[in-house]
Formats: sequence, structure tokens, C-alpha cells
Amino acid sequence: EAGVTQSPRYAVLQEGQAVSFWCDPISGHDTLYWYQQPRDQGPQLLVYFRDEAVIDNSQLPSDRFSAVRPKGTNSTLKIQSAKQGDTATYLCASSPGLLGAEQFFGPGTRLTVL
Amino acid sequence: GDSVTQTEGLVTLTEGLPVMLNCTYQTIYSNPFLFWYVQHLNESPRLLLKSFTDNKRTEHQGFHATLHKSSSSFHLQKSSAQLSDSALYYCALSGNYAQGLTFGLGTRVSVFP
Repeated sequence: EAGVTQSPRYAVLQEGQAVSFWCDPISGHDTLYWYQQPRDQGPQLLVYFRDEAVIDNSQLPSDRFSAVRPKGTNSTLKIQSAKQGDTATYLCASSPGLLGAEQFFGPGTRLTVL
Repeated sequence: GDSVTQTEGLVTLTEGLPVMLNCTYQTIYSNPFLFWYVQHLNESPRLLLKSFTDNKRTEHQGFHATLHKSSSSFHLQKSSAQLSDSALYYCALSGNYAQGLTFGLGTRVSVFP
């Protein structure tokens, strides 16, 4: 069974540029998460979906970040006008959506904003 | 909101010695799930073990942890560290139905011959 896939694996931007990250979860997993992991820190939840619905986006900087999962499968996370402080690895994870279920993480996208 | 505290940022030890990583948590939920994730260099986090049951020891791959709700702790232990255990270890909490995880800052473990 294929794991969580993400693309691109790396991105380098100048401040003010936009970037999109794409995630394909494990087939059958209804819950999808996006985390931001700054260097040498733990992952921090940005947003998560159950099917196509946003369940919690309270930690998503809404003025520049957006996330969608229109068909309840793949998801896209977009940063408009990136800042140096956005430099981090962006991890996508999926799970069956059961209480206590393991979250399976993708390889991440390492973003550097110059 | 929920929070997880890992007191050690870096643990260095010699192969064969025991290791213990501390984890305490705060949550409003009475029945949280606690997790330990391990992240090797240039890899993404993967689950090491998890627990929901108070005072029950959970084991996997030589590591073990016991959730103690009375002290809000979920410390990770191994009796004999191996070189391959060198990695980042994160304690994480899920307080409610399939919500996102709250991670601690992580503990880097370096095992030397």
C-alpha cells in the first residue's frame, strides 16, 4: 500500500512569492492534516480536514495561508506572499479518523524563503 | 489549549546504557491519547507507541511507556540503547476524536559506541 505522498520535496522562494504544496493521502483515510515543522522544533498543526470539510484551521495564518481538499482526497496548501518566517518543512499526514488512530506522515516539503 | 513538555533537549549516552525521556502534558480532556513518534535524520515522524489506558505499560521495538494520568506523564524508556536509536523523539497528545496532534519540542537522542 502506498504511503502519503507530497510534492514538491523542496522549494526555494524569495519573500513575497507564492507557493503551493500538494498531498495525496493513504487511500481510504478520511482525515488529512497539515503541519508546519520549523527547524529543530516539533510539528505544529496548521489545519485538518475530515473528507472535504475543514474541521480546524484556527492555527492557519489566514491572511496568507489557505488549504483545500475539494473531493475529500488530495489536498493543496498554498502560501501567498511568503515570508522568511515561513521557512520550515510542511508535513502532510493522514489517518482513518478514529479516536487514537495513528497518523501517517508524508516525506514533507522543505521550504526556504530567502 | 493542550500542551506537551519534554524537558530534555538533548540526551547523549553510550550504547548499552538505559535511556529515559520525560514527557508531561496538560489537557482539558479526561481521556487523552498519548503518543511517542520517532524521527530519524531526513525522514518524517513515524509512530513508536501510543497509549490511552491509565497505568498500563505499552511496549514496542524495545521501548516502553506507561500513561500515568495522576501525574499527567508518559515517559519513554529503553533498557539498553542501540546506535540505531539515535533520532529525534517527540511526545504528542490527542485530546479528542481524531483531532490534530499537539507535539512537544522533541528530544534528540545520540547514542555513541
